[in-house]
Amino acid sequence: EDQVTQSPEALRLQEGESSSLNCSYTVSGLRGLFWYRQDPGKGPEFLFTLYSAGEEKEKERLKATLTKKESFLHITAPKPEDSATYLCAVRVVNNYGQNFVFGPGTRLSVLP
Amino acid sequence: DGGITQSPKYLFRKEGQNVTLSCEQNLNHDAMYWYRQDPGQGLRLIYYSQIVNDFQKGDIAEGYSVSREKKESFPLTVTSAQKNPTAFYLCASSTGTGEIGELFFGEGSRLTVL
Repeated sequence: EDQVTQSPEALRLQEGESSSLNCSYTVSGLRGLFWYRQDPGKGPEFLFTLYSAGEEKEKERLKATLTKKESFLHITAPKPEDSATYLCAVRVVNNYGQNFVFGPGTRLSVLP
Repeated sequence: DGGITQSPKYLFRKEGQNVTLSCEQNLNHDAMYWYRQDPGQGLRLIYYSQIVNDFQKGDIAEGYSVSREKKESFPLTVTSAQKNPTAFYLCASSTGTGEIGELFFGEGSRLTVL
């Protein structure tokens, strides 16, 4: 069964305090790993796609990396506006087509 | 601008009533999806569709129904058989299986059962 887990469940940082979020997955064949940001009451906003182990993507204070079993979202010198829930998802392909399996998310709070 | 439109944003339902959530996309995407999100939890797949007039049950399809009569539209009906329908519902779309692309989401519909 395809599964995605994320840790920690919640994370509180001081402004400027760098840290990392983890996404671990068990899938029959990875066809892409995705990171999203979700603000309360909103739909998730796409951040990154990673396809193969060793790949890295960066955007402002965020950097996503991928290994064969997990992905990390590194946040460098975060600001209060980075506070949100960060979701990880994997794309799986089955006999019918494709779907996306999501982890439970990490709630990030950045305090000024 | 291209995107996904969900309506209504907020909906209240009495027990025993069916309600339909609308989802329209103008991204020319083949695939569309419905997810349910409960407080503090991730997204769980209800139904998904890869092409017009075809759809597949996801992990939590009981008490829900969908149709895909047009490429642009994928409405979700929450029936009275759904025992705990209060939740945040998200519609999404993506390119087809042959292309690797991310999910694009609408802004969500929040359903509350009174």
